[in-house]
Amino acid sequence: DAGITQSPRHKVTETGTPVTLRCHQTENHRYMYWYRQDPGHGLRLIHYSYGVKDTDKGEVSDGYSVSRSKTEDFLLTLESATSSQTSVYFCAISVLGGRDTGELFFGEGSRLTVL
Amino acid sequence: KQEVTQIPAALSVPEGENLVLNCSFTDSAIYNLQWFRQDPGKGLTSLLLIQSSQREQTSGRLNASLDKSSGRSTLYIAASQPGDSATYLCAVRDNTDKLIFGTGTRLQVFP
Repeated sequence: DAGITQSPRHKVTETGTPVTLRCHQTENHRYMYWYRQDPGHGLRLIHYSYGVKDTDKGEVSDGYSVSRSKTEDFLLTLESATSSQTSVYFCAISVLGGRDTGELFFGEGSRLTVL
Repeated sequence: KQEVTQIPAALSVPEGENLVLNCSFTDSAIYNLQWFRQDPGKGLTSLLLIQSSQREQTSGRLNASLDKSSGRSTLYIAASQPGDSATYLCAVRDNTDKLIFGTGTRLQVFP
């Protein structure tokens, strides 16, 4: 258990409204990631962070922004939600061991429905 | 651009069979490869991690191999059980710290 908590776990919202998903970790790992999972597309990287205030885009970053003001929290924001952003969102952290193993651990997911 | 493919997309087998799941990737410049299991409606559970310098890793009834030069990894499940039913995903990590996922193999083991 890598101590990852996602909130909210389920959310239904309307098109055009802002939405923020939160990922919280308890173990001060440096790398954090946001993925979305959709049928037929698998898991796709949205944004990732390699430290406080250090973030970078993934392959499907349009329409999303992120912030990391402290090590333990990584926020994903949809400024104006669209129906195409209906998905399951997963947060992950990379655990670097003594040999820099880079093993990834995932949260339980946040299911977002945009009507 | 790295692409990861998993074959077969779905597999249904009787309990007790030994299984091989395949994962292939197009760019051999990887940092490591990780196998995950995902149960319906749940997150991903890490099964095995193979570093680029390693050939295989074992955990219980699971064995994963890596052949970087040919761009392939296999996950071997010995003596399958109904509790092994899940979707199995492989992912490769490139040297920019991004993990690229395959679309998974959905496994059903029936009694």
